[in-house]
Amino acid sequence: SYVLTQPPSVSVAPGKTAVIPCGGDNIGRKSVHWYQQRPGQAPVVVMYYDTDRPSGVPERFSGSNSGNTATLTISRVEAGDEADYFCQVWDSVSDEVVFGGGTKVTVL
Amino acid sequence: EVQLVESGGGLVQPGGSLRLSCAASGFAFSRSALNWVRRAPGKGLEWVSTVSDSGASTYYAASVRGRFTVSRDNSMNTLYLQMNSLRAEDTAIYYCAKDWGTRTPNYSDYWGQGTQVTVSS
Repeated sequence: SYVLTQPPSVSVAPGKTAVIPCGGDNIGRKSVHWYQQRPGQAPVVVMYYDTDRPSGVPERFSGSNSGNTATLTISRVEAGDEADYFCQVWDSVSDEVVFGGGTKVTVL
Repeated sequence: EVQLVESGGGLVQPGGSLRLSCAASGFAFSRSALNWVRRAPGKGLEWVSTVSDSGASTYYAASVRGRFTVSRDNSMNTLYLQMNSLRAEDTAIYYCAKDWGTRTPNYSDYWGQGTQVTVSS
């Protein structure tokens, strides 16, 4: 089955940029979606179809996808961005939704 | 306003059964695929199942296939997850989520607050 790989954690100082990679075989050929989950809360989509940002999500959030890596970038990081972030794709070969293992973003 | 409210979670013994429900409102229920996603303690998000808008197509994670059954009642705007032969590793918060698509899974654009399922003797 298809596998998505994320680093377990990313630490960033306030005002700096957090880059969260999501690796997968030829992931650039798939549509990647990203979710943010704060402790005790339900997940929220922050990026869909690689680069589309839902209304209400700050412009500081951006996405890209090419080759074997998709990336969620958070610019000018704020304390409120501290959360777990998950990438997700639909694998049409196995007919399964696949989530990455998640990346915990810590704001220093 | 889209609302998804899960119910039916609780404590069950290994090998037991549980039926989760998700009451939906605020969107065209019969025109949306629906997903179940869970998060076990100390783990990440895990997709469980998806049902298409009409209910004709269903999809399952390999870890639950043959034990869980997803269904929906479009007349009642309700999604279900019948869970049989439960195992300790099924312990998790189970989320109901509306899919952006209609037939095959795309992404979950709205989520419920989740219901806790604990499998333990």
